[in-house]
Amino acid sequence: GAVVSQHPSRVICKSGTSVKIECRSLDFQATTMFWYRQFPKQSLMLMATSNEGSKATYEQGVEKDKFLINHASLTLSTLTVTSAHPEDSSFYICSAGLEGGHTGELFFGEGSRLTVL
Amino acid sequence: AQKITQTQPGMFVQEKEAVTLDCTYDTSDQSYGLFWYKQPSSGEMIFLIYQGSYDEQNATEGRYSLNFQKARKSANLVISASQLGDSAMYFCAMRVSGYSTLTFGKGTMLLVSP
Repeated sequence: GAVVSQHPSRVICKSGTSVKIECRSLDFQATTMFWYRQFPKQSLMLMATSNEGSKATYEQGVEKDKFLINHASLTLSTLTVTSAHPEDSSFYICSAGLEGGHTGELFFGEGSRLTVL
Repeated sequence: AQKITQTQPGMFVQEKEAVTLDCTYDTSDQSYGLFWYKQPSSGEMIFLIYQGSYDEQNATEGRYSLNFQKARKSANLVISASQLGDSAMYFCAMRVSGYSTLTFGKGTMLLVSP
C-alpha cells in the first residue's frame, strides 16, 4: 500500500535555531500534503495544506513566517520551524493521500517529535 | 463545516471482551468518508477501517467493525476480542473530498487489562 515517510522522527534543538522536517510519499505522487500538530493527549490539529508548486494554505492562527512549508516536488513536502522556541515543542505529523475526487484514505508519516530547549 | 464528536475520553475493557467506541459526526455534504485511526504511544497513526457514506453495508476489517447509522450520523467502532496491544488512542475522522484533509474527533483512550 501507499506509504508516507517522515524524517526526522525526533529532534532536539536550541531555542532560536531552525528545524526542517521532511515528508515523502514513497510510492505515489501527492499534489497535496497536510501538516498537523499534536499536543500531548490531544487530537491532531491541521496546520496547513501543502500544494505542489504553489503556496501552502495555512489554517487560522498558524503563523506562516514561523512554519514555512515548501512542496517542491510531487513526493516531497518540508516543514521548517524557524527560530524555534520552547512553545514550538510538539509532535508534528504529515499526511498525503491518493487523490481523484474520492474520499479515500490518507496515509500518515511516522511523526516528528520536536523538543526545543 | 464538518464536526466529529467522540464523547468518551477513556474506556476500559478486559482482554477478550468486545468494546464499542462512540463517534458522531455532522456535515452538510452528501458524499463523505468516515475513518478510524489508532495511535499507540509511539505516535504513528494506524488506519483501521473506512466507511463511505453511500456504502450500504457496515465495514469490517478483521476484529474491527464500523456500526454505521447514517440517519443518526453515528459511526461507532466495535473491537471484538480485545487484546492487550489494542491499548491506544483511537480517533474517528471524516473526509468530504479527495482534496480535503481529515477532520478528527478528540479521541478516546482505550485501556485493555489482562
